[in-house]
Amino acid sequence: DSGVTQTPKHLITATGQRVTLRCSPRSGDLSVYWYQQSLDQGLQFLIQYYNGEERAKGNILERFSAQQFPDLHSELNLSSLELGDSALYFCASSVLVTSTDTQYFGPGTRLTVL
Amino acid sequence: QQPVQSPQAVILREGEDAVINCSSSKALYSVHWYRQKHGEAPVFLMILLKGGEQKGHDKISASFNEKKQQSSLYLTASQLSYSGTYFCGTDLTGTASKLTFGTGTRLQVTL
Repeated sequence: DSGVTQTPKHLITATGQRVTLRCSPRSGDLSVYWYQQSLDQGLQFLIQYYNGEERAKGNILERFSAQQFPDLHSELNLSSLELGDSALYFCASSVLVTSTDTQYFGPGTRLTVL
Repeated sequence: QQPVQSPQAVILREGEDAVINCSSSKALYSVHWYRQKHGEAPVFLMILLKGGEQKGHDKISASFNEKKQQSSLYLTASQLSYSGTYFCGTDLTGTASKLTFGTGTRLQVTL
């Protein structure tokens, strides 16, 4: 158990809908990362927040947005869902943002879009 | 740019050794290695910093060749628990903010 929690564990929804994934980082970690893992794309970095502010952006679609709240938990919002958005979504957290900082991954949310 | 991992897959008998390589076309600050079992979260193994250092963790060790921008993960005397997919994540910024992960190497250890 990494100490990172994610809810829900599974989510099944229909195309066009909007969902929110939630992540609570490890105690003391200030940085939160979101990743998408699909069969054909591997583990793709989406976005990173550090102490409430956006720090880095990866291949995140405009239909997706995220935020980190004052209590440091983070939410990833996915809207106008398409079949191709079906994937495992991981949240990771780390203490800081240095090259030696370890990212600890949560158990993931499996999103299925029908 | 996504690092290239090789081999893509390997099957070992328990007790055998394996090497997994991770190559980048860009200069790296660090390489982060993870192991992921099917349907589970990636689990951190180790970080290699530029400078060519070698690290070890039980019977798993790794090296980073800065000249070649390549990291290698060495699994010695493999155990059944080593089975899974190994990913390298490369850091191009020095902040590990945007790790770019390779496509993974699937390792299966059999009896």
